[in-house]
Amino acid sequence: GAGVSQSPSNKVTEKGKDVELRCDPISGHTALYWYRQSLGQGLEFLIYFQGNSAPDKSGLPSDRFSAERTGGSVSTLTIQRTQQEDSAVYLCASSLGLAVKYNEQFFGPGTRLTVL
Amino acid sequence: SQKIEQNSEALNIQEGKTATLTCNYTNYSPAYLQWYRQDPGRGPVFLLLIRENEKEKRKERLKVTFDTTLKQSLFHITASQPADSATYLCASSSASKIIFGSGTRLSIRP
Repeated sequence: GAGVSQSPSNKVTEKGKDVELRCDPISGHTALYWYRQSLGQGLEFLIYFQGNSAPDKSGLPSDRFSAERTGGSVSTLTIQRTQQEDSAVYLCASSLGLAVKYNEQFFGPGTRLTVL
Repeated sequence: SQKIEQNSEALNIQEGKTATLTCNYTNYSPAYLQWYRQDPGRGPVFLLLIRENEKEKRKERLKVTFDTTLKQSLFHITASQPADSATYLCASSSASKIIFGSGTRLSIRP
């Protein structure tokens, strides 16, 4: 079946603009995760959803970042008033079972965001 | 704060040898550790999970150990091949967060 998909694959924007990144998880996966990976760095956890709920939003880097998930499926990560330090690859993953509990995560290919 | 550290940024070994990668955790006791492989320009791919009550887990040429006394997991690739060259990440969860190590870039030379 289809894996996790993310769109767009690449996004170039100007400083100060808002961007919206989309993630389509594997059908039936209840948990969805967002990460950020800067060049040559490890994965920085941002937020996870169990169904449509995000129990802890403290991983989001600033109040310019927000995320939502609707219908237990698609999720969007929105960055308002983008800054150059927001430039990174944003990765989404999903898992079948409960988040943060032993479950294998399936990752999408990522969205490469460049803020000029 | 809870941390997962992968001490080696890069590891270069000869084809056919065993590669051993290290993952150490501090300030918490994870219930499990996961290992992922990441190739350039792609998302990580899950390899193995080991729970705290398991000493060792194997899958084909891969072996993972979990030592709660040393607070460490070791990831071994036996009979390594150039195709095993990639970045390997360990990960676990703490409360409502997922923590990843920074990764070890493994290069297998022919």
